[in-house]
Amino acid sequence: QSALTQPASVSGSPGQSITISCIGTSSDVGGYNYVSWYQQHPGKAPKLMIYDVSKRPSGVSNRFSASKSGKTASLTISGLQAEDEADYYCSSYTDTTTFGVFGGGTKLTVL
Amino acid sequence: EVQLVQSGAEVKKPGESLKISCKGSGYTFTSHWIGWVRQMPGKGLEWMGIIYAGDSGTRYSPSFQGLVTISVDKSISTAYLQWSSLKASDTAMYYCARHGDVVVPEWVDYWGQGTLVTVSS
Repeated sequence: QSALTQPASVSGSPGQSITISCIGTSSDVGGYNYVSWYQQHPGKAPKLMIYDVSKRPSGVSNRFSASKSGKTASLTISGLQAEDEADYYCSSYTDTTTFGVFGGGTKLTVL
Repeated sequence: EVQLVQSGAEVKKPGESLKISCKGSGYTFTSHWIGWVRQMPGKGLEWMGIIYAGDSGTRYSPSFQGLVTISVDKSISTAYLQWSSLKASDTAMYYCARHGDVVVPEWVDYWGQGTLVTVSS
């Protein structure tokens, strides 16, 4: 199945807010409220940041928030910090496989 | 503390077989799905397939169906990913991950440290 569509890169200055989009189809993002977001620093395993569209796991900063509208999910990071610089991946349940499909990933650069 | 500990890096030749492992601890192993994710050098994450540790039920991504086998040994809380005949294009980092929701296995809350597989003649 095709990966979800994310912008290849986004950037922002410290203190600013950025939003990363994740576009799917009615078989995944648009059809189910099961979207998650992961942060991956170079050479590290991914880390869960958001699940079930907008829920934050314990320990994740409230600077990270997310939402969904139709076939597009979005991750917003407010008050950008240097340590937020990483790759971000969305994932959604898909009825094609009955588990997940990832987006292509977005590289966040903090200027 | 929940932990997923993967087996070490492997260097193999094309055509060889390989089985890598992922040992879970700190939780009830049989109550969760375990998934395998591929990350090719410099590329993104790809779901390969998942297995329910309780009954060994498996689901595969179409891109990986028939190319790999996912299995589990409940007695030692370990999941496996295996290839019967490796190709150079299998060179990648492979992560195992625990799904947090039993009913809808989408998000994962714990990840292994990754196993780097290098296939080269």
